[in-house]
Amino acid sequence: EAGVAQSPRYKIIEKRQSVAFWCNPISGHATLYWYQQILGQGPKLLIQFQNNGVVDDSQLPKDRFSAERLKGVDSTLKIQPAKLEDSAVYLCASSFDLYNEQFFGPGTRLTVL
Amino acid sequence: DQQVKQNSPSLSVQEGRISILNCDYTNSMFDYFLWYKKYPAEGPTFLISISSIKDKNEDGRFTVFLNKSAKHLSLHIVPSQPGDSAVYFCAARAAAGGSYIPTFGRGTSLIVHP
Repeated sequence: EAGVAQSPRYKIIEKRQSVAFWCNPISGHATLYWYQQILGQGPKLLIQFQNNGVVDDSQLPKDRFSAERLKGVDSTLKIQPAKLEDSAVYLCASSFDLYNEQFFGPGTRLTVL
Repeated sequence: DQQVKQNSPSLSVQEGRISILNCDYTNSMFDYFLWYKKYPAEGPTFLISISSIKDKNEDGRFTVFLNKSAKHLSLHIVPSQPGDSAVYFCAARAAAGGSYIPTFGRGTSLIVHP
């Protein structure tokens, strides 16, 4: 079974630029999550989707971050404009439903200069 | 305010010995606890979990102990192997609140020396 795929794996941008990350969850998984992991900290949830609907986006900085999962499968997370403090690993995870174990992708390491 | 705390950023253990990773939590609503293991350049992978109705759960070399009164849990790895070298995250969630999203600690980096 293929795992959660993410791209790109690494991205370096300058502040005020825009960036987008892509995630392809495990086939059949209805729930998709985006986490931000700042160096030295644990993952923090940014947004949770159930199919193509948002379940929880209370921790998403909506002035600069946006995410979508239009067809209930792949998802993109965008940052516009990026700030220095956005430097982190962005992890995508998926689960069969809201109650089951989450499977994480390898993450995208973002560096904002 | 950190609701899940892993106060030891790193731990070094000799191969064959026991590794004990500790985790404390402050939210009494947490009723399910998980440990994740993370290798460099990979995402976290689920390792073992425990419900608040239990005080121990064992899976092979891995055992998690829960002390609800102390709001403390620990992960024991016996015997430790070099392949266990990774960052271990403790996480907790409160299903009673309707959310199954885990809150993660900062992680403990375990190094097992041959």
